Amino acid sequence: GENVEQHPSTLSVQEGDSAVIKCTYSDSASNYFPWYKQELGKRPQLIIDIRSNVGEKKDQRIAVTLNKTAKHFSLHITETQPEDSAVYFCAASRVLGNTDKLIFGTGTRLQVFP
Amino acid sequence: DAGITQSPRHKVTETGTPVTLRCHQTENHRYMYWYRQDPGHGLRLIHYSYGVKDTDKGEVSDGYSVSRSKTEDFLLTLESATSSQTSVYFCATDERDTQYFGPGTRLTVL
Repeated sequence: GENVEQHPSTLSVQEGDSAVIKCTYSDSASNYFPWYKQELGKRPQLIIDIRSNVGEKKDQRIAVTLNKTAKHFSLHITETQPEDSAVYFCAASRVLGNTDKLIFGTGTRLQVFP
Repeated sequence: DAGITQSPRHKVTETGTPVTLRCHQTENHRYMYWYRQDPGHGLRLIHYSYGVKDTDKGEVSDGYSVSRSKTEDFLLTLESATSSQTSVYFCATDERDTQYFGPGTRLTVL
């Protein structure tokens, strides 16, 4: 079945620097790749997603890139701020039973120091 | 937050007792999911539902059962709780691949 690997598991950056989190997936049929942010004690919340017909997507300081040939996708956060500190999860969709369901990576804890 | 609530939010129980967690949504979404979240494992799918009375297993379904008698409610039952089921449980709903999560239930099995 689908497997999603996420690196690094922890990432510390200085405020204003960029942060990059990378994920690889195994199922070449996957076609939807969301990223979730989870603050301490809160629910995961979708911050950006990309579908397989697009190579890059941006939303203000956040961007996601997808390389379907290499089966990897990345989250880029520019001009990081302390409020970006959280755990970030990538995910990939695969067929499970009757519909496409998400398989999550194990998460990256991002710490942004002032 | 897509109108998703979970109850209870916190529960402490003893090994061998049955436990039921409830997920309620107001968005009329067809798909609903139960995940567990553990350190180092991310979010793992337990069971999911694609309609009333239509459910199927996820990747970590052993020891869990689910029921969905109404569109808005999805119940997760631990028939006989074990310490390995201590976790944070998240419910989610799905509309066109975008999943929205509930606030979570922290379950401790002593």
